[in-house]
Amino acid sequence: DVKVTQSSRYLVKRTGEKVFLECVQDMDHENMFWYRQDPGLGLRLIYFSYDVKMKEKGDIPEGYSVSREKKERFSLILESASTNQTSMYLCASSLTLAASRDEQYFGPGTRLTVT
Amino acid sequence: AQKVTQAQTEISVVEKEDVTLDCVYETRDTTYYLFWYKQPPSGELVFLIRRNSFDEQNEISGRYSWNFQKSTSSFNFTITASQVVDSAVYFCALSASIGGQNFVFGPGTRLSVLP
Repeated sequence: DVKVTQSSRYLVKRTGEKVFLECVQDMDHENMFWYRQDPGLGLRLIYFSYDVKMKEKGDIPEGYSVSREKKERFSLILESASTNQTSMYLCASSLTLAASRDEQYFGPGTRLTVT
Repeated sequence: AQKVTQAQTEISVVEKEDVTLDCVYETRDTTYYLFWYKQPPSGELVFLIRRNSFDEQNEISGRYSWNFQKSTSSFNFTITASQVVDSAVYFCALSASIGGQNFVFGPGTRLSVLP
């Protein structure tokens, strides 16, 4: 079974802090994704990566950056956390370079609260 | 721009009732993929089904069935003889690759199956 793990289930940070959310997948998937999930809005794509050191912006990249130094690990960085970034963050991965075709495998999510 | 609409925010049914979750999508791409995911109370999204835009054949998997109609841009999901374990949030999603990778989720439908 594919396993996608996220470093924390719950996180509380203060406004202005730099925040790192880590995601690891163990099945050699090519693509990795970061979404945020908000009530009534579903999942919105922040960034995705189709290879090491490669990234593409999603629908809502503002205020976020990402890093993929190793194939299995994809980090989401909030350079200066703000209260409007309080949300559930979901990491996902998919198998092949035909990213649009493949189903995604999701981690359990990190609920981030910025106070 | 691509869009997925799930007009039903919440649905409640009594166990053993049939229930249909609606999904309407918008895209100008001719090649695209549609997905359904289930998010149980534990939080981790689970892939249910994928359909490509050239395959309008309906699919049945146990108590689950899917009806894909390009003429109405709909990809509806029916659960027959619902069970309490079907209680979850269900997301419809659309992906395409023309003009860059795009992954769009609907807002989700929360299904409650009452005993």
